[in-house]
Amino acid sequence: ETGVTQSPTHLIKTRGQQVTLRCSSQSGHNTVSWYQQALGQGPQFIFQYYREEENGRGNFPPRFSGLQFPNYSSELNVNALELDDSALYLCASSLARGQGARNYGYTFGSGTRLTVV
Amino acid sequence: GQNIDQPTEMTATEGAIVQINCTYQTSGFNGLFWYQQHAGEAPTFLSYNVLDGLEEKGRFSSFLSRSKGYSYLLLKELQMKDSASYLCAVRDGTAGANNLFFGTGTRLTVIP
Repeated sequence: ETGVTQSPTHLIKTRGQQVTLRCSSQSGHNTVSWYQQALGQGPQFIFQYYREEENGRGNFPPRFSGLQFPNYSSELNVNALELDDSALYLCASSLARGQGARNYGYTFGSGTRLTVV
Repeated sequence: GQNIDQPTEMTATEGAIVQINCTYQTSGFNGLFWYQQHAGEAPTFLSYNVLDGLEEKGRFSSFLSRSKGYSYLLLKELQMKDSASYLCAVRDGTAGANNLFFGTGTRLTVIP
């Protein structure tokens, strides 16, 4: 059973650029959630994807967008990067409600550290 | 929306017991999770509560009171390796989405 894989592990971008982060979900999981974690803070929910559609969104502007593919992997795209976008971006996979174990466990990847300069 | 509060920092002595509290407000409560996160690493699952009461798992226990919107994580026989951030997270089942929302995390320092 493979875990959640994120790429790249580290990335440096310039303000105003665009970035794409990638996540491969754990085998058997069909739902992917993305989080932004600033230094010293808890993860902030960006959005969740289930069946290739957005299934819940946190308080993030439209320049944060995503995709989910038929194999359940996912991408997070951020346009017009700002300095405050510098953070650890975490991806978590899970089974959607009613399809899995009692606690519908979430498995997290190791994250992508994005630095915007 | 969701509002999840936990202390920012705690310090405890090796071998002791520490309790980390979490209060929450959410419209569609569907379970509460505790995660451990070492600096620069992914959160790892510690415990899950959806019904009132205590769940015990080795040195770690977690308690939930849904009527009070309150949970705690209890760590016994503290070890130096327990120094980490502890994240309280609430799952919101509104519209079947089951989105997971985190508090700010409690940074625990274990001292000799």
